[in-house]
Formats: sequence, C-alpha cells, structure tokens
Amino acid sequence: SQQGEEDPQALSIQEGENATMNCSYKTSINNLQWYRQNSGRGLVHLILIRSNEREKHSGRLRVTLDTSKKSSSLLITASRAADTASYFCATDPAQGGSEKLVFGKGTKLTVNP
Amino acid sequence: EPEVTQTPSHQVTQMGQEVILRCVPISNHLYFYWYRQILGQKVEFLVSFYNNEISEKSEIFDDQFSVERPDGSNFTLKIRSTKLEDSAMYFCASRGATSGKHTDTQYFGPGTRLTVL
Repeated sequence: SQQGEEDPQALSIQEGENATMNCSYKTSINNLQWYRQNSGRGLVHLILIRSNEREKHSGRLRVTLDTSKKSSSLLITASRAADTASYFCATDPAQGGSEKLVFGKGTKLTVNP
Repeated sequence: EPEVTQTPSHQVTQMGQEVILRCVPISNHLYFYWYRQILGQKVEFLVSFYNNEISEKSEIFDDQFSVERPDGSNFTLKIRSTKLEDSAMYFCASRGATSGKHTDTQYFGPGTRLTVL
C-alpha cells in the first residue's frame, strides 16, 4: 500500500457507538495528522501526533501511533450524526527538508441517527 | 479563530484559459502550500512556498503552474492554460513557524472547486 493508507474505506455505525479508523504508512515520519472533510468541503485539522508520541487525546478523539508497525489509529468515541464525514491521515515524511503532507484515500464514516 | 480563506469557491473555465486561484493564509504564518484533490482521489501536494520563493514542488507542478505572494496577505496559484485534467478541488494551506519546523500543523482553506470545460 502507499504512504498514508486508511482502512476501512467505509464505515457505517449507529449514533453512540465508537468508530475506529486505521492508517498505515511506509516511510519514517516526523508526525502524522488526521483531518476531517465533510462532503465536498474543506479539510479540518483534528489532531497531530509526533513520531515520539504514542497516544494523544482531544475531546472525543483518541489517536495512537506505533512507529514500529508504521501505523496509526483514530478512535471517535460516542459518535454523533455530525461526525459523518471522510477522515484522512496525512504523514509528514522525514525526508530532509520536505514539508509536504502525504495523504491517504480516507475512510468515509457514516453515523446513523 | 484565525482561518485560511480562499476565493472563489467555484471557478468554471474553458480549456486553454488562464485561471488565478486566491488564498489568504493565516496572518502570522510563514509557510504556504497548494494541494489539489481530483474528485474521488487523494489530496495531492503541489507546491510549498517560503520567504518569497518555492521551497518544494511536485511533478504535477509543471510550467503551467505558478505561485505568487503579491502582497503581505494574498497567496495565489495561477494555471496558465487549463486542461480538462486540471479539474479538481484546490486547497491552500499555511503553517506557522513555532517550536520547530516539522512539528507544526498545516491549516487548510475551504478550497476552490475548478471545473475546466
């Protein structure tokens, strides 16, 4: 798989349930960021986790990072209908001086009321 | 809360025409970026800009593309002669310069949807 690949591609759950999305990547990274995109709209930054961090929380969001497995997960607890969106991981590769973010294809989350 | 803004939200143009997409980054940010997302595909990096010059560009960013910071607030992407395959959502992003280069978040604008007919 390519840098920043999320799975599943689509996830449908009921309101109140937890949603877990995973991201795998290939190269060493400086950090990994998760973004949300509502249909056809802009990218909203959710959380950044640095390569020396293992877990981070922000409200109902929990992100983990396992650099040995080159993977990350995003957990949304107690989901709401308003969480319906596509979620992307983006890696900041540790390639001397490069600043670009490398995005995955995203997970499309549907939270049913 | 400060945010990146982009205009227009939607631009329709004829193939071969020039378009300029405009962005106003967050005011105290120093690093600026353009990305694009073709419908149903990944967000792809185009170019990064710092200290009034391009710092990195992708293979997509060929001679048809150029960027400019014409004043202290705007950051523009110009496509000289649009092609059908340039149809995409174009995102501008900006980043501050605190606590180390690779630890800052890139904040994205809402995007400009470019349709080339």
